Amino acid sequence: GENVEQHPSTLSVQEGDSAVIKCTYSDSASNYFPWYKQELGKRPQLIIDIRSNVGEKKDQRIAVTLNKTAKHFSLHITETQPEDSAVYFCAASINTGKLIFGQGTTLQVKP
Amino acid sequence: GAGVSQSPSNKVTEKGKDVELRCDPISGHTALYWYRQSLGQGLEFLIYFQGNSAPDKSGLPSDRFSAERTGESVSTLTIQRTQQEDSAVYLCASSWDRGSEQFFGPGTRLTVL
Repeated sequence: GENVEQHPSTLSVQEGDSAVIKCTYSDSASNYFPWYKQELGKRPQLIIDIRSNVGEKKDQRIAVTLNKTAKHFSLHITETQPEDSAVYFCAASINTGKLIFGQGTTLQVKP
Repeated sequence: GAGVSQSPSNKVTEKGKDVELRCDPISGHTALYWYRQSLGQGLEFLIYFQGNSAPDKSGLPSDRFSAERTGESVSTLTIQRTQQEDSAVYLCASSWDRGSEQFFGPGTRLTVL
């Protein structure tokens, strides 16, 4: 079955710097790749997603890139702010049914 | 409008007891998912309901776990003869259909003593 690996497990950056989180997936049939942000004690919330027919998607300070050949996708956060501090999860899905999640990245943005 | 709701928010039980967790999806959402999140871990898929189709049970870890959904509304996840390793946060999510964003509920924190 599908397996998603996520790196790094923890990431600490200075406010204003960029943060990059990378994920690889195993099943080439996967075609939907969402990213969720989970603040402490809260439910996961979708921040951006990408489908396999595009290579990049951007939403203000957040962007996601997808390399289908290499089977990896990345989350890029620019001009980080303290409120970006949270756990970020990548996921992959075939035909957007069940999501297979990575292990999560704890992002700390230092003021 | 109302989001996905789950009850109870916390459940403490003794090893060997059965528990029932409830999920109320967003009205009109045809797809409903259950995931499990162990402490400091990612989310693990358990089961998925889509309309009247047979559920995808491929993520259920053992036959002690089962789930039901009444039409396109409430779902219950039942864990029989609970074990300590069942302790986790159980999250429910729903979406308009299988091609749409999944909205998560607040979760039920299950502690098995």
